[in-house]
Amino acid sequence: SQQGEEDPQALSIQEGENATMNCSYKTSINNLQWYRQNSGRGLVHLILIRSNEREKHSGRLRVTLDTSKKSSSLLITASRAADTASYFCATPPPNSGYALNFGKGTSLLVTP
Amino acid sequence: SQTIHQWPATLVQPVGSPLSLECTVEGTSNPNLYWYRQAAGRGLQLLFYSVGIGQISSEVPQNLSASRPQDRQFILSSKKLLLSDSGFYLCAWSVNPVGSGAFFGQGTRLTVV
Repeated sequence: SQQGEEDPQALSIQEGENATMNCSYKTSINNLQWYRQNSGRGLVHLILIRSNEREKHSGRLRVTLDTSKKSSSLLITASRAADTASYFCATPPPNSGYALNFGKGTSLLVTP
Repeated sequence: SQTIHQWPATLVQPVGSPLSLECTVEGTSNPNLYWYRQAAGRGLQLLFYSVGIGQISSEVPQNLSASRPQDRQFILSSKKLLLSDSGFYLCAWSVNPVGSGAFFGQGTRLTVV
């Protein structure tokens, strides 16, 4: 079953600008994860934020989590053309913890 | 280090033909294994997951089946493909239980004609 919903569905920016993607989810979570998918390839794990964390950084990535609003955001700073990809949020089901539920993703296009 | 291999990368099969997609993981023991399907421009749909040899959980009733004959081998099969089985199939693994992320293969593009 689908848990996360990313917003916007598509985003187009120029190199050097920041890109912000949002994710909303429905049930309680232990953690939330962000993944990246280049066209026609598998997904790559970017960052995981636990339910007791509010913000996490990894290089040019900044993830926030607001459990009261059941939402998360992924910020990519100083974007590059190579950041062009689809970005997905994912959450493990609260009880089983066995499988990740993914949203439909945000398609990011970074133009030179 | 852990690696995941998925093959073939692309496959074109006629309607009614059988299917076998294979996925193997190296460098870890007792992983959770997953098969996802991704329709064009859509999110990922979980098809099957396995927490151990011979243990398969199906998330969506359909024309497909999965098997785990060895600890690090996961196979997706069909006896007779339908047009609607076309899509991008992704195998993934995670530690048991998933808490630190999943690692994906490169995917198989299946086109049923």
